[in-house]
Amino acid sequence: KQEVTQIPAALSVPEGENLVLNCSFTDSAIYNLQWFRQDPGKGLTSLLLIQSSQREQTSGRLNASLDKSSGRSTLYIAASQPGDSATYLCAVTFDRGSTLGRLYFGRGTQLTVWP
Amino acid sequence: DGGITQSPKYLFRKEGQNVTLSCEQNLNHDAMYWYRQDPGQGLRLIYYSQIVNDFQKGDIAEGYSVSREKKESFPLTVTSAQKNPTAFYLCASIPLGGVGNQPQHFGDGTRLSIL
Repeated sequence: KQEVTQIPAALSVPEGENLVLNCSFTDSAIYNLQWFRQDPGKGLTSLLLIQSSQREQTSGRLNASLDKSSGRSTLYIAASQPGDSATYLCAVTFDRGSTLGRLYFGRGTQLTVWP
Repeated sequence: DGGITQSPKYLFRKEGQNVTLSCEQNLNHDAMYWYRQDPGQGLRLIYYSQIVNDFQKGDIAEGYSVSREKKESFPLTVTSAQKNPTAFYLCASIPLGGVGNQPQHFGDGTRLSIL
């Protein structure tokens, strides 16, 4: 069964801290892995997409890594700010026996950054 | 600007009533998806469509129906057979040629509640 797991479920940190969100998946045959941000009551905003042939992607203070062999990805947020407070979702497009383009989602990490 | 428009933002359903959620995209994307989001459960796939006049069931299709008469539009009907419809519904799209290297685009969602 193709599953995606995220830990921790919630994280609360003071402003300025560097932090790591974790994502694991059950099948190493993937097209890509995506990290999304979701604000309360809103849709999903794509943050980073890592293709299966890539090891990491960076955008500003965000860095996402991918280790297919171990079935893991991490999202690193540097110098966190209160505006980073949101739910972060990890999603995988599997390469084997699944609907083309369909995403499998983790349950998310709810991040709170306090001033 | 191109994007996905979901309407209405909030919807209330009476007992025994069918309701329809709208999803329109002007991105010229081939594939469209409907996901359901419940608190603490992540997103689950309801239906998807890769081309006009074709659609397939996802993991939780019971009590839902869709149509794809135009490339731009993928409406979701929540029927009276869906006994627990209260959730946040998200529509997404992607060009089929971009499955490996492009992120999915999401609308802002529709929140459905029972009256």
